[in-house]
Amino acid sequence: DAKTTQPPSMDCAEGRAANLPCNHSTISGNEYVYWYRQIHSQGPQYIIHGLKNNETNEMASLIITEDRKSSTLILPHATLRDTAVYYCIAMLTDGSSNTGKLIFGQGTTLQVKP
Amino acid sequence: ETGVTQSPTHLIKTRGQQVTLRCSSQSGHNTVSWYQQALGQGPQFIFQYYREEENGRGNFPPRFSGLQFPNYSSELNVNALELDDSALYLCASSQGQTLAKNIQYFGAGTRLSVL
Repeated sequence: DAKTTQPPSMDCAEGRAANLPCNHSTISGNEYVYWYRQIHSQGPQYIIHGLKNNETNEMASLIITEDRKSSTLILPHATLRDTAVYYCIAMLTDGSSNTGKLIFGQGTTLQVKP
Repeated sequence: ETGVTQSPTHLIKTRGQQVTLRCSSQSGHNTVSWYQQALGQGPQFIFQYYREEENGRGNFPPRFSGLQFPNYSSELNVNALELDDSALYLCASSQGQTLAKNIQYFGAGTRLSVL
C-alpha cells in the first residue's frame, strides 16, 4: 500500500501557482519523497524529489516540512499543459530489497482552467 | 522523450494466451522496473531487474515473469492471460538502486486488451 495520501482532485487557474499537498506521516528516514505526473494515456513523468531539504528545479518546487510528515509540490505558474494526475511517492533508496520501488497511490487530478 | 521505448504500443489477445512485452532502457541505465496500470488506477509495481537479476517483486502471480538482457533491455511475459490482465503495462529504467538520484524514466507503455 502507498505510504502517502493526497486529495483526489484540485483545480487551479491558468497562470496561478498550483500547490499540491501530500501527507506521509509514516515515512522513514531512508525514504525520499518523489513526485511524478501522468498526462492522460502517457507514461508517468518525473518532476522532482527530496529527502528533507526544500528542492527546486525547472519544473517545480518541493517543500518538505521539518518533521517530514508532509510535503507540497508547487507549480509556480500553471499552464493548461500541467493538467494531469500528480503522484506523491515515498521511495527507499538504501539498497534494501525494497529499494527503488515506486508504490503509487491514487494521486491528485489537477485541472488547470483558463 | 525519456529514451525508454516499449513495443508493441497496442496488443489484443484472448484469454489463455501468452504475451511478451518489450522494453528498451535509456542508455547508461542498468535497472528496469515493470508496472501494471488498470484503467482509472495508479500504476502497480510488478517487478524490477538489476543487472539481469530479479530484484524485488510486487503482489503478482508467477505467471508474470521477466528477463533482462546484457544490454539491459527487458521483457515481460504473461502466461495464461486473464481478462483482468487488460491494462497499460509500463516499463521504467534507472541508473541504479543505491544512488540518491535514482530517478525512473518511463516509456509510453503497451496497452494490452484481453478478450
